[in-house]
Amino acid sequence: AIQLTQSPSSLSASVGDRVTITCRASQGISSALAWYQQTPGKAPKLLLFDASILESEVPSRFSGSGSGTDFTLTISSLQPDDFATYYCQQFNNYPVTFGQGTRLDIK
Amino acid sequence: QVQLVQSGAEVKKPGASVTLSCKTSGFTFTKYYMHWVRQAPGQGLEWMGMINHNSGTTGYSQKFQDRVTMTRDTSTSTVYMEVSSLRSEDTAVYYCARDRITVFGVFTNYFDYWGQGTLVTVSS
Repeated sequence: AIQLTQSPSSLSASVGDRVTITCRASQGISSALAWYQQTPGKAPKLLLFDASILESEVPSRFSGSGSGTDFTLTISSLQPDDFATYYCQQFNNYPVTFGQGTRLDIK
Repeated sequence: QVQLVQSGAEVKKPGASVTLSCKTSGFTFTKYYMHWVRQAPGQGLEWMGMINHNSGTTGYSQKFQDRVTMTRDTSTSTVYMEVSSLRSEDTAVYYCARDRITVFGVFTNYFDYWGQGTLVTVSS
């Protein structure tokens, strides 16, 4: 199975900060990568797919880039609702796999 | 609007089976695939498998191949997942999640709508 490694595992930031989370795949996955946001007690929410395409109604402060093995999720200016855990997910090969998550909390 | 409503929490003993349901509404059921994803307490997300709502064809993660069965009822737009031979490590929240198909109806293995989750606790 393809392994996805996110870094950092956790980070602290302030409202208005620019934040970048990375996701590295154990083998090339083209652009078959999505990012999800999860808040405690809630289901994940799709933010981006195909590495860089913003899901409908997701704010434009979220952006994604990368292909092959290295990917990034950037939040340009953190808002209070953005403090959550973020997961990357690949589909290039079965089984679908997720990164271990990056917890983003308030500094 | 799209809704995925899952069945309530379950408590099971080791070795038992559990069947979870996910009732859908707000979209054409037979056009979509549904996935099941679980999350152990304080842990990450784990994909279990998927079912084609139209044909009933399934695909399972090898990890769960021998213990999971996914089915669907097109008359009620509901999908089901049975997990057998439960062990303590199966304690988790189980989510159904709809595949984000393309405009051409091709499944993508991205998940655009999720159920609220069902907590399954396995304990003696």
